[in-house]
Amino acid sequence: QVQLMQSGGELRRPGASVRVSCRASGYLLTAYYMHWVRQAPGQGLEWIGWINPNSGGTNFAKKFQGRVAMTRDTSVSTVHMDLSGLTSDDTATYYCARDEYRFLRYYFEYWGQGTPVTVSS
Amino acid sequence: QSALTQPPSASGSLGQSVTISCTGTSSDVGGSNYVSWYQQHPGKAPKVMIYEVNQRPSGVPDRFSGSKSGNMASLVVSGLRPEDEATYYCGSYAGRNEMIFGGGTKLTVL
Repeated sequence: QVQLMQSGGELRRPGASVRVSCRASGYLLTAYYMHWVRQAPGQGLEWIGWINPNSGGTNFAKKFQGRVAMTRDTSVSTVHMDLSGLTSDDTATYYCARDEYRFLRYYFEYWGQGTPVTVSS
Repeated sequence: QSALTQPPSASGSLGQSVTISCTGTSSDVGGSNYVSWYQQHPGKAPKVMIYEVNQRPSGVPDRFSGSKSGNMASLVVSGLRPEDEATYYCGSYAGRNEMIFGGGTKLTVL
C-alpha cells in the first residue's frame, strides 16, 4: 500500500535552515509529482510547491521562492524539502502529499504524517 | 495571492444537509476544473473528499458532493453524521503551476 513516511520533528533558531524528508513506499516515486503543504498551529493549509521526482523539476509558491529547495533521491525513494532563513512564522507542521499518476492534477489522496517544525530562540 | 474565501464555520443537525462555499477568482476556481476538498480532523493529516470539482475518490461516501458555478465552488454534505464534524478546506489550481487553499470551514454537527 502507498505510504509516505516523513522525518521527525525539528527545532531551529531564527535564521537557520531545516530539511524535511519524505520517504515513499508502495509505488514508484518517479511516476508521481510530490507536493509540500504546511499548516501553522491553529491555521489553514498553505501550499509550498511541488517536485517532479522523475526530472527533478520544481515549482514554488511566490512567497517561498528564494528560500525553498526540493530535491529527490530516487535510490531511497525519498524527496527532501529545505527551507532557509527561518522565522517564527515558519513554525508549522509540514506535509508531503502525492499528486496523481504522471500529471499534475492538484489533488492529494496520499499524505505524509506531518513533520512539526518549531522556530524559536 | 490571497487564500480562497470560505466561511469560518458551518453547522447542521444529524441527518440534515449542509453546504460549504469556496469563493475565488477567474484566475483560480473560476478558471480551473482542478478544485478539490479536504476533510481534516484535529491532529490528523487532511483527507481528500472531492477532486476535479465533483469527483469522489474510492471509499468516500456519496453523501459528499461537489459543484462549481463561476468563481465559487461548493461542497455539500448530506445525511450529516457525527464523524463528519471536522474542518473542511477547498483547494484550487491557481495558474502558473501553483495551487491555493481556502482558509477552512469548521463544521459542527448538532
